[in-house]
Amino acid sequence: DAMVIQNPRYQVTQFGKPVTLSCSQTLNHNVMYWYQQKSSQAPKLLFHYYDKDFNNEADTPDNFQSRRPNTSFCFLDIRSPGLGDAAMYLCATSRGAGGTEAFFGQGTRLTVV
Amino acid sequence: GENVEQHPSTLSVQEGDSAVIKCTYSDSASNYFPWYKQELGKRPQLIIDIRSNVGEKKDQRIAVTLNKTAKHFSLHITETQPEDSAVYFCAASINSNYQLIWGAGTKLIIKP
Repeated sequence: DAMVIQNPRYQVTQFGKPVTLSCSQTLNHNVMYWYQQKSSQAPKLLFHYYDKDFNNEADTPDNFQSRRPNTSFCFLDIRSPGLGDAAMYLCATSRGAGGTEAFFGQGTRLTVV
Repeated sequence: GENVEQHPSTLSVQEGDSAVIKCTYSDSASNYFPWYKQELGKRPQLIIDIRSNVGEKKDQRIAVTLNKTAKHFSLHITETQPEDSAVYFCAASINSNYQLIWGAGTKLIIKP
């Protein structure tokens, strides 16, 4: 059973056109993360939520925003996608603090044309 | 801040042989060390993890060892099989910090 679900699996967007990626979880985990991953590099953390508390990584571009309206859902908004934003975007959840397993969604492959 | 280094970047082994991937970390406060396997186009999946109060953990063909003094930990895969081909990532975190610090990854190739 899918526990962390990302939609869509593949997203094509035009340069500069806002796009939203979604993530939902059935695990009732407190923490939700958004990662960006490019071509077999390590996932790069963009931000995370502990419940409603939002934590932005220092090097996450302002172009990236996130919303978490409730425990189950989290959204990644890219306000003006550039060619360099083409990547796999991974959502993950964990029960609590570092030291617990992170469960990943299948990812959304974003293409910018 | 924490830094995790992972070696080698690519590892090619004959099917049936063992594979070892090594990671070092910089922050002695780190106390949780997971290993993730990522097949091409798929999500990272936890294959084994170890906490700082344990020196070794084994799960069938996979084992992880931790040397806290030297601040390094290693993944050992025995009797490698074609389905072990993937990219493997080590990571480290501190209980009080939600962030996983990832190694750069090792591409493991199993030769038939």
